Amino acid sequence: SYELTQPPSVSVSPGQTARITCSGDALPKKYPYWYQQKSGQAPVLVIYEDSKRPSGIPERFSGSSSGTMATLTISGAQVEDEADYYCYSTDSSGNHRGVFGGGTKLTVL
Amino acid sequence: EVQLVESGGVVVQPGGSLRLSCAASGFTFDDYAMHWVRQAPGKGLEWVSLISWDGGSTYYADSVKGRFTISRDNSKNSLYLQMNSLRAEDTALYYCAKDIEKAAAGIVYWGQGTLVTVSS
Repeated sequence: SYELTQPPSVSVSPGQTARITCSGDALPKKYPYWYQQKSGQAPVLVIYEDSKRPSGIPERFSGSSSGTMATLTISGAQVEDEADYYCYSTDSSGNHRGVFGGGTKLTVL
Repeated sequence: EVQLVESGGVVVQPGGSLRLSCAASGFTFDDYAMHWVRQAPGKGLEWVSLISWDGGSTYYADSVKGRFTISRDNSKNSLYLQMNSLRAEDTALYYCAKDIEKAAAGIVYWGQGTLVTVSS
């Protein structure tokens, strides 16, 4: 079955750049999406279709892809960015099944 | 404003059945595919199922295939998940989620979830 792999944790100091990676064989063919989930809350979309940012999401959030790896970058991370981040994509075999990465806990302190 | 409100989550015994509902508003419901996603306590997100805009195509995770059925009623702006033969490992917060397009591409909006607990 198709899998997306993320690092379990990333830690930065406030103001530093945080990079969270997501690797998967289908990423060259299927757009990655990124979600932020704060404790006790529903996930929120922060990046879609690889690098597009929804309205209301701060400009410090950006996305990029190269081959089988997608990266969520938070430039100048803030304390309020501390959360779990998940990448998502669909299987490229045509069955439209979705898959999430295991999630990355971002600590900003 | 997009709103997705899930309901139907309860405590159910192993082997039992349950039907979750999701009421959608704030967008043209039949223009978008819809998903169910779940999150077990303290765990990550797990994609469960997808239905196309017209209900003509449905897809399931291997973990629920043959036990869960996704459906929609576009006249009522509602999404459903019929859950049969429930197991302890189905215990989770179940989210209703909206896709970016008619078929399936990516999830762009989530409800707040409804909690399903499978326990004797």
